[in-house]
Amino acid sequence: NAGVTQTPKFRVLKTGQSMTLLCAQDMNHEYMYWYRQDPGMGLRLIHYSVGEGTTAKGEVPDGYNVSRLKKQNFLLGLESAAPSQTSVYFCASSYWEYEQYFGPGTRLTVT
Amino acid sequence: DAKTTQPTSMDCAEGRAANLPCNHSTISGNEYVYWYRQIHSQGPQYIIHGLKNNETNEMASLIITEDRKSSTLILPHATLRDTAVYYCIVRVGPPGNTPLVFGKGTRLSVIA
Repeated sequence: NAGVTQTPKFRVLKTGQSMTLLCAQDMNHEYMYWYRQDPGMGLRLIHYSVGEGTTAKGEVPDGYNVSRLKKQNFLLGLESAAPSQTSVYFCASSYWEYEQYFGPGTRLTVT
Repeated sequence: DAKTTQPTSMDCAEGRAANLPCNHSTISGNEYVYWYRQIHSQGPQYIIHGLKNNETNEMASLIITEDRKSSTLILPHATLRDTAVYYCIVRVGPPGNTPLVFGKGTRLSVIA
């Protein structure tokens, strides 16, 4: 039982490049979330999903897109990366709206 | 969801109880109090949550005042591994569809 895993762990992008972050969970959770955390700040919700095939906007959705084609996976896409998207990205999942389980994070730098 | 106020930082001696306060004076009747913590560079970890009654699990105890306007997270015997940022979050319980909103939390330093 791996819990929540994130791929990749680190990435450096140039401005304008695109990439996809993958989150996978093996706990059969309905809900999945993407957060970003900037230095010295708390986590901010980007997008979330309440079930396969659904997505919803969080607090800071601009510049990101998401997809939940399979229950166990939640993808976060950056179509045209900007330096302001340099951050640590955390994925989480939960059974309904109970406690969330977080992944180890992806450190993204956009130069 | 109601806002929360936490001290920016606290110190605690190893082996002592760590008491982390949280004010949530605008909490409404259907809102729960959740606590998470984040150890440096790791993803946040769920600790405990409660509605009205005090709660205890293997990690911590949660004491909620009778008027529910404040609460205290208690780590009974703090260790160096408990050094982390602790987040107090108030949100509507299920089924409310309200995601967690993390503030800046309290940075707890456990000192040997």
